[in-house]
Amino acid sequence: DAGITQSPRHKVTETGTPVTLRCHQTENHRYMYWYRQDPGHGLRLIHYSYGVKDTDKGEVSDGYSVSRSKTEDFLLTLESATSSQTSVYFCAISRTGGTKETQYFGPGTRLLVL
Amino acid sequence: DQQVKQNSPSLSVQEGRISILNCDYTNSMFDYFLWYKKYPAEGPTFLISISSIKDKNEDGRFTVFLNKSAKHLSLHIVPSQPGDSAVYFCAASEGNEKLTFGTGTRLTIIP
Repeated sequence: DAGITQSPRHKVTETGTPVTLRCHQTENHRYMYWYRQDPGHGLRLIHYSYGVKDTDKGEVSDGYSVSRSKTEDFLLTLESATSSQTSVYFCAISRTGGTKETQYFGPGTRLLVL
Repeated sequence: DQQVKQNSPSLSVQEGRISILNCDYTNSMFDYFLWYKKYPAEGPTFLISISSIKDKNEDGRFTVFLNKSAKHLSLHIVPSQPGDSAVYFCAASEGNEKLTFGTGTRLTIIP
């Protein structure tokens, strides 16, 4: 198993509150990704990082921000959570970021926004 | 607009028989395709992949077929085992663009 942990694993929050999800890796991989998984949509890329302090937007980035101050940690922040952000969030890592390279996923964080 | 579609949300197959999971795509520029498998409360794990220059790739019980003219790929699992019960996602990429995932198919293997 790739050394990827996500915290928290479950969270319930209220609309309008800020939420930060953490992804931690022990593999020293350069690329890290945040996805959300929703019924009828599969996995959709929110943001990704290609190095410390280097990030870029994915397909569904509105309402989310990210930060990466250390190789091993990639944070996803919902500045003001909305009910539409209720989802399961997955972090993934890869060594070089090439699309033909396997991405390794964390166990996920289930977020409920009331 | 869903560029990668898995039209069967669920599939049930008898143990020992063949499981066939299907995936259709609309972007003719996709050149690499992957299948991921996901168990409940776990993240997806890579299963098998295929480049657009091939039409078949095999790995043990798993075979992926690619039909570029039909923009269709399928995953065959034979023989199916109870441990194969999971959600399967297909994914595709174009050049160096990021992966586009399908909506998933829940496979249930009946003992």
